This record gives sequence, C-alpha cells and structure tokens, in this order.
Amino acid sequence: EPEVTQTPSHQVTQMGQEVILRCVPISNHLYFYWYRQILGQKVEFLVSFYNNEISEKSEIFDDQFSVERPDGSNFTLKIRSTKLEDSAMYFCASSEFRLAGTGELFFGEGSRLTVL
Amino acid sequence: KNQVEQSPQSLIILEGKNCTLQCNYTVSPFSNLRWYKQDTGRGPVSLTIMTFSENTKSNGRYTATLDADTKQSSLHITASQLSDSASYICVVFNYGGSQGNLIFGKGTKLSVKP
Repeated sequence: EPEVTQTPSHQVTQMGQEVILRCVPISNHLYFYWYRQILGQKVEFLVSFYNNEISEKSEIFDDQFSVERPDGSNFTLKIRSTKLEDSAMYFCASSEFRLAGTGELFFGEGSRLTVL
Repeated sequence: KNQVEQSPQSLIILEGKNCTLQCNYTVSPFSNLRWYKQDTGRGPVSLTIMTFSENTKSNGRYTATLDADTKQSSLHITASQLSDSASYICVVFNYGGSQGNLIFGKGTKLSVKP
C-alpha cells in the first residue's frame, strides 16, 4: 500500500541551527501539507502546497520556515534557526484530491524534532 | 470561534467491550468530518470521512455517526481489541476557512486492557 515516508524519524539539534525535514508523498498525490504536534497537544496546521507553490500557511509558519519541492518526489520543510519551542513531531501529509471534496489525507509517521 | 471538542479526554475499557467517543464542533461553514486513529508516536490514520448529508459510516468495527443539525458526531468501537489502544481524533473541515481548513480536536485517549 502506498505511503508517505519521512526522514529522519528523530533529529536532535542545538538552538539556532538549521533543520531540514524530508518527505516523500504518495506518488500520484497533488496536495502536500506539513503539520506539527507538540507533545500532548493537538495537531496544528503549518502549510499546504499545490502546483509548486504554497496555497496556505498558518501563523506558526513564519519567516523561519520554508518548504520546497526540489524534484518530482521530495517535499521538504526547512527551519532556518530553530528555537526551543520548535520541539515537536512534524507530520507530512498528502492527498490526491482537495480535502473539501472529502479527499483522503494520508499522514507520514512523523519526524520528531528535539531542540536543545 | 471554530472549535472541535472531544469527550471523554481519556477512557479505559476491557477487551471485548464496546465504547463510544464523542465530538462536538462549532465549525461553520461545515464541509466534512473525519475520524483518525493515532497510535502513540505515529501518524494519524484515517478511519472515516463523512459529509453533512451522511448520518452513519462504518469501517469494520468502527462506526461513526453525524448529526449536522446538532453539530455532534460519535465514534462507536465494537468488540474492542488491545490494538484499539490509541488516540482518536475528530477533525472538521471548515469550508472557506483559513488555517488549512482542517480543525483538529485534542483527541480521546483510549486504553483497552486485557
């Protein structure tokens, strides 16, 4: 069964360092997303991406964050200068159809980021 | 304010028993409601997606109901198994809304004991 894959599964970094989280969405999907979940809290939307550009972003997704689809398969999230409060599980997700039309959203297993 | 509230926050049941999880939402306009299962430290996995015109939807031992008039949904788990231990998240799509349109609840943490 096709799945969304994420790397690394866990990354520990020092405050102020740059981090890149990588995702390979399901191959025929057109819509890509990043979410995060701070330990014990609910899932929060970061950004959605369609047709090689950001379609929407949340207040969390400030200038320290960026996304890129450098080739036909990878979708990356970069945090330029990490802060302690960036420690969370980051989930990549993808969908074939628009979510408004009950398009199913498939999540990856997540990348746990720990900022020291 | 668009919100999704789930109850109970946590629940412990014995293997083989049934249980029902609740979701109330104030999201408007509403497009669809989703239930996800999230194992600890894993990504959410979709269980059901319902539009406003659907009242009931089943996926194996999971049955979701939706009352769009009262803005309530429930997830019923039949004959629970140890592998059902997880968090169950109710998610509502806010048609025309911002913040990515999906409004997540905090989840109900279910523990199934032998």
